[in-house]
Amino acid sequence: GQSLEQPSEVTAVEGAIVQINCTYQTSGFYGLSWYQQHDGGAPTFLSYNALDGLEETGRFSSFLSRSDSYGYLLLQELQMKDSASYFCAVRSWGKLQFGAGTQVVVTP
Amino acid sequence: DTGVSQDPRHKITKRGQNVTFRCDPISEHNRLYWYRQTLGQGPEFLTYFQNEAQLEKSRLLSDRFSAERPKGSFSTLEIQRTEQGDSAMYLCASSLETGGAGTEAFFGQGTRLTVV
Repeated sequence: GQSLEQPSEVTAVEGAIVQINCTYQTSGFYGLSWYQQHDGGAPTFLSYNALDGLEETGRFSSFLSRSDSYGYLLLQELQMKDSASYFCAVRSWGKLQFGAGTQVVVTP
Repeated sequence: DTGVSQDPRHKITKRGQNVTFRCDPISEHNRLYWYRQTLGQGPEFLTYFQNEAQLEKSRLLSDRFSAERPKGSFSTLEIQRTEQGDSAMYLCASSLETGGAGTEAFFGQGTRLTVV
């Protein structure tokens, strides 16, 4: 079968750093994506890792370890607008499967 | 191009009725996905197309659900004999796949279905 595990909620203050872990179990693994979704909005793409290592895009970074079936999203210099749900998604055999999401709550 | 568009944005229907949703992907995108999302959950995979070919349909999807993408452009998702458990947000996404490498999937704003 296929499964993705990520924490349900993380709370942090503005300016802090948050790491959202994602472990997965799947066959035909191509890569790991991260999406952000604000309440009432559509998911929007943040990053994609096909190879091991760290990808950095501004304040957000994403990491993948294929041997450990593990990845994380790192949010730096947290801002109030970063309060949202964050989903890891596995690309396997061509399709994209999402985890249940991590609600990030940023407090002043 | 204005992105992925879905129609209608909201649909209220009585139990037992049939409903059809439409998705217009980004024009050059060859892959199209349908997902269902309920409150507090991630998007649940329903089915996806590569051009006009439906490549996979979730085993969780009952025979009441059917999707088409007749000319490899827009797609429709039909739910027959709706049940209250079908109430959810139905999301469509599209991407340009160029052979193995992952690309960004762009989502529409979704169709919110309420079955009463």
